[in-house]
Amino acid sequence: AQSVTQLDSQVPVFEEAPVELRCNYSSSVSVYLFWYVQYPNQGLQLLLKYLSGSTLVKGINGFEAEFNKSQTSFHLRKPSVHISDTAEYFCAVSGGAGGTSYGKLTFGQGTILTVHP
Amino acid sequence: EAGVTQSPTHLIKTRGQQVTLRCSPISGHTSVYWYQQALGLGLQFLLWYDEGEERNRGNFPPRFSGRQFPNYSSELNVNALELEDSALYLCASSLDFNYGYTFGSGTRLTVV
Repeated sequence: AQSVTQLDSQVPVFEEAPVELRCNYSSSVSVYLFWYVQYPNQGLQLLLKYLSGSTLVKGINGFEAEFNKSQTSFHLRKPSVHISDTAEYFCAVSGGAGGTSYGKLTFGQGTILTVHP
Repeated sequence: EAGVTQSPTHLIKTRGQQVTLRCSPISGHTSVYWYQQALGLGLQFLLWYDEGEERNRGNFPPRFSGRQFPNYSSELNVNALELEDSALYLCASSLDFNYGYTFGSGTRLTVV
């Protein structure tokens, strides 16, 4: 079975400050990792994904994430946030070869990022 | 290219009633996934359909069911609605789940 833990339920930050949203995962097989963003009353939008190769992944809107296999982490970072980045962010893992995890993305509980002026 | 479309966007139903939610995947995507996002419970996997077959199912009672049509669109049916079924129901599609999904905007179901 696989699981995802987002270590912070809420992260407040001031505009133009850097931010890091933390994500740890557990899985018995090789995984693919994702970050999604959800703006109020909308669906989820893919920010970035790690499938293989370079452990530093760049996504949309200036976000990036680093895959750390030894620490089973996939933290999301942005060097300078904007008011428009206020949203809920979800880390997810896939890769189940069979069983109950097959075919599904397993999501963390989400981190609400609030950017203050 | 049109994204994943869901209908209706909002729905209010009474306890005990039945509801059908609809989803059209991105053109060329053969897999459709359904998730429930209830307040405080995060995103819970409901169902996965691929090529017209149910491939996996989350930990939900049998009154949650669905199907996928030959054009790959999908329906989610919920019978005997309960108050706790109130949630945002998200549909997603993909060519290969390992590479992530594309989500629709969801259907907000309120059970009163």
